[in-house]
Amino acid sequence: TQLLEQSPQFLSIQEGENLTVYCNSSSVFSSLQWYRQEPGEGPVLLVTVVTGGEVKKLKRLTFQFGDARKDSSLHITAAQPGDTGLYLCAIKGDSGTYKYIFGTGTRLKVLA
Amino acid sequence: DVKVTQSSRYLVKRTGEKVFLECVQDMDHENMFWYRQDPGLGLRLIYFSYDVKMKEKGDIPEGYSVSREKKERFSLILESASTNQTSMYLCASRKLGPQYFGPGTRLLVL
Repeated sequence: TQLLEQSPQFLSIQEGENLTVYCNSSSVFSSLQWYRQEPGEGPVLLVTVVTGGEVKKLKRLTFQFGDARKDSSLHITAAQPGDTGLYLCAIKGDSGTYKYIFGTGTRLKVLA
Repeated sequence: DVKVTQSSRYLVKRTGEKVFLECVQDMDHENMFWYRQDPGLGLRLIYFSYDVKMKEKGDIPEGYSVSREKKERFSLILESASTNQTSMYLCASRKLGPQYFGPGTRLLVL
């Protein structure tokens, strides 16, 4: 059974600081999604990474897919209070299944 | 833009009531999913549907049923609500790519 571990679980930082959160899998995966979920809302898709070593940027967010396709990271530059939320990574389950596997998330709070 | 809507944002029901949660997507997606999200437990898959009238159990189907009579609509039914079904319920849909989520329904069962 594939597992996705995210770290850290919780992060509280001041506005303007940089941070990195991590998502690690117990096995190789073909693609990975990052979502942000604000309190009381559903997860919103941020990005999909599909190629080993791939780097994608979304304004102040930089997403990286590990060369070995077993890990990914999300780096936020100059965090703002609007970045507050739960960051989830997700991969599709084993071939032949419709299921997705979600990490347990990193809960980020950015203080003004 | 993909749009997934859920019929209610907040619901309060009594133990034993039958509860219907509805989800509608407007992008002709084949696959639709129902999850519940609880603190410390993450997202857990209840049921999913890969086509009209087709459904498969997820990881925690007990106490729930689903209905997919039309492609755009996927309903989650709690036959007899219990307090341990108090949770945030999330619907999602996809075609070939990633899942897209609705805003969620926060259900409180008293």
